[in-house]
Amino acid sequence: EVQLVESGGGLVQPGGSLRLSCAGSGFTVNNNYMSWVRQAPGKGLEWVSIIYNGGSTYYADSVKGRFTISRDISKNTLYLQMNGLRPEDTSVYYCARHLGTTMVSHWGQGTLVTVSS
Amino acid sequence: EIVLTQSPGTLSLSPGERATLSCRASQNVPNNYLAWYQQKPGQAPRLVMYGASSRATGIPDRFSGSGSGTDFTLTISRVEPEDFAVYYCQQYDSSPRTFGQGTKLEI
Repeated sequence: EVQLVESGGGLVQPGGSLRLSCAGSGFTVNNNYMSWVRQAPGKGLEWVSIIYNGGSTYYADSVKGRFTISRDISKNTLYLQMNGLRPEDTSVYYCARHLGTTMVSHWGQGTLVTVSS
Repeated sequence: EIVLTQSPGTLSLSPGERATLSCRASQNVPNNYLAWYQQKPGQAPRLVMYGASSRATGIPDRFSGSGSGTDFTLTISRVEPEDFAVYYCQQYDSSPRTFGQGTKLEI
């Protein structure tokens, strides 16, 4: 059974940093397209970043230059390094696994990031 | 970047009625790489439809999808109480893999 478990969320001050983790089980993170999607309180889904199985990465304009997506093969884990955090980054962050190169087939339960002084 | 616009923003229906949700793309979505997700309060999204018209595993056949190019539709033939939720479309042909802003299906 495919499972995704996020961790690392919390309260951080503006300008601070946080690293989110997403531990995968039942599949190999390195062999799949993986994404981060976020949802601000009471708002819709916003795609944040994707890493292809070949290693290419893409980012939403709103986070480009501040966030970095990566993965650890040995730990079967996806990461999102978030620097220069802003209040508007406050959201639940979901880790997502794609079916091949296509749509998201599995979602984690989400981890809340709150950026506030 | 492909911008997706969903309508209506909110759809108020009674159980047993037909629901029609629209998703319009700012440019052609190649290969009909368009998915629909359902999200209930406090839960992660759930895949409902992919490839514009293929139901995901476990989705009942009252859900159907149609469309191509720039106009896509998710239809629920007879809405059940468990179908009341927010529905999002997403294109997955290219990155950024944009979402629509969502349609809230409410009683």
